[in-house]
Order: sequence, then C-alpha cells, then structure tokens
Amino acid sequence: GEDVEQSLFLSVREGDSSVINCTYTDSSSTYLYWYKQEPGAGLQLLTYIFSNMDMKQDQRLTVLLNKKDKHLSLRIADTQTGDSAIYFCAEDGNNRLAFGKGNQVVVIP
Amino acid sequence: GAVVSQHPSWVICKSGTSVKIECRSLDFQATTMFWYRQFPKQSLMLMATSNEGSKATYEQGVEKDKFLINHASLTLSTLTVTSAHPEDSSFYICSATVGYNEQFFGPGTRLTVL
Repeated sequence: GEDVEQSLFLSVREGDSSVINCTYTDSSSTYLYWYKQEPGAGLQLLTYIFSNMDMKQDQRLTVLLNKKDKHLSLRIADTQTGDSAIYFCAEDGNNRLAFGKGNQVVVIP
Repeated sequence: GAVVSQHPSWVICKSGTSVKIECRSLDFQATTMFWYRQFPKQSLMLMATSNEGSKATYEQGVEKDKFLINHASLTLSTLTVTSAHPEDSSFYICSATVGYNEQFFGPGTRLTVL
C-alpha cells in the first residue's frame, strides 16, 4: 500500500526560502501533489508533478522529485506570512490519494 | 474554478445522536466523491469512495453501518455518522472529482460529540 512520510514543523523568517520534504513508497504513482491547508479549512491544491519529471517550477514554488529515492520536496521562495499553513504531500495510487502527515510551516514576520 | 461546499461547517451533538454532513459540488457534476477524516495534527485518512448511484466503497477499518454514505446525485453526497460517540469527534472533509482528475476539496466539517 501507499505510505507517505513528512517531517512535522518548520519555522522560517519572512522573505527566506522554505523547503518541505516528503518520502513516498508507491513507485507506481502517476502524479505527486502538494496541498496547503490553512487553519480549520479544507485542502487547496498548490502544485503537482508528473512522475516522469524531475522538477517543476510554478512562480514561487519549486517541486523536486527524486524518483530513485522516492523523495519529493517543495521549495517556497520569498516566504510570506500568508504561507503559514500545513502542507501535505500526496501520491496517487489505485485511483486514490495517500497523504503524508503534513508539515506545519510558521512564517515569522 | 470548481467549488465544493460542505454543510454544516461545524456541529456539536450529544452522544448517541446521528449527524448528517452534506457535500456538494456547486459548479460541476462529480462522478466520484471522497470522504476523509482528519484528527488534530494528523493527516487525512480516506474513509470511503462514493460513486453516484452506487454503494460506497469503504476503506479497511471504517464501519459502513456507522458511517452511512449516500451519493444520490452528481452534485450531492451525504455522510451520516450514526449513534455518534466522543471518539467520532473529528474534522470531516469531502472531495469531488470528475473521472479521475484533480480532487476538489470542501472546507471541512468540524464534528464535536459531547
């Protein structure tokens, strides 16, 4: 089955870059995703990467995928206070999403 | 963009009562809806997958008689927590998709069982 792991907490100063990491186990995943959850809210899809890509850049977001090591990362450039949230990576497998535990990012002004 | 709503956004109920949560796709027809449960500081756990007009498929460990799912139309799925107990207190989130494309998530429903 799918198993996705993430670290738990990151604090970062406003303007700095933040990097969130994730490892997954299902090598058959077609897409890997990054979601953002603000307090008390549902999930917002931030970006995704196709499994045969190594990198994807989307404005301030950069996703790196190391398929050999099953490692996914999300870099947020010029982190802003509105980026404070919990970030989940997810992989798709068997037509369902498996989520990591989430990484809380706190941006310090 | 695709919008998914949930109602209510929060509910408090007494132990032993049943609570119904609605999930609606507002501007698209959802062939599939998913129900997730999220405990504090934890990830989302898929509870069940619901296709319009057919029985929901429950994940292992999820009691289908306790968590009743009805997907009567392409825009509405309901989750009923029957005979709720305090351990059922959680954040319930639905998502909707067309075919197997991006899942659009609802804002979630906070259930507190006293």
